[in-house]
Amino acid sequence: GAGVSQTPSNKVTEKGKYVELRCDPISGHTALYWYRQSLGQGPEFLIYFQGTGAADDSGLPNDRFFAVRPEGSVSTLKIQRTERGDSAVYLCASSMTGVGYEQYFGPGTRLTVT
Amino acid sequence: AQSVTQLGSHVSVSEGALVLLRCNYSSSVPPYLFWYVQYPNQGLQLLLKYTTGATLVKGINGFEAEFKKSETSFHLTKPSAHMSDAAEYFCAVSPSETGNQFYFGTGTSLTVIP
Repeated sequence: GAGVSQTPSNKVTEKGKYVELRCDPISGHTALYWYRQSLGQGPEFLIYFQGTGAADDSGLPNDRFFAVRPEGSVSTLKIQRTERGDSAVYLCASSMTGVGYEQYFGPGTRLTVT
Repeated sequence: AQSVTQLGSHVSVSEGALVLLRCNYSSSVPPYLFWYVQYPNQGLQLLLKYTTGATLVKGINGFEAEFKKSETSFHLTKPSAHMSDAAEYFCAVSPSETGNQFYFGTGTSLTVIP
């Protein structure tokens, strides 16, 4: 079956611009996660959705970052007034709900802020 | 708070030699444990996981890992390295109480020398 997909695969934007990154989870997965991965680092948790609601957004670095999942499926990560330090690979993952379930990752969106 | 330590950011082994990638976690309650592999320009792929039961778990591509509670470790091994094993490996933990958020280590880059 189809895995987690993310678009675009690459995004180059100028400092100060607004960007949206999209994630399509595996069908039937109610849990969705966003991570940020900087070069040479492991994925860093940003936000977790259970259904339509953000169950845990403690990883969002500041109020420039926002994510939505209005219908409980596709999610969009939104970054306002981008900064060069936002450059990273943004990963999306989905899973079944419950403890112990593995997360399935998408290929990521590489964001470069110039 | 959970944390994961992967000793050795770079490991090199000869083809056919034993692969040992180390992972230690800090948690007052044993978490769920995962190993993921990331090939260049690809998303993370689950190798294996430990939730409950047998402490020696087998995964894909001949990898296995053993959960040792007394050592708070979950080291990844493979008896004989193959060239195709060259990749980045990440250990991750998930709190057993909630099981939602994953905490990743900084990763170990495995090089296989022919």
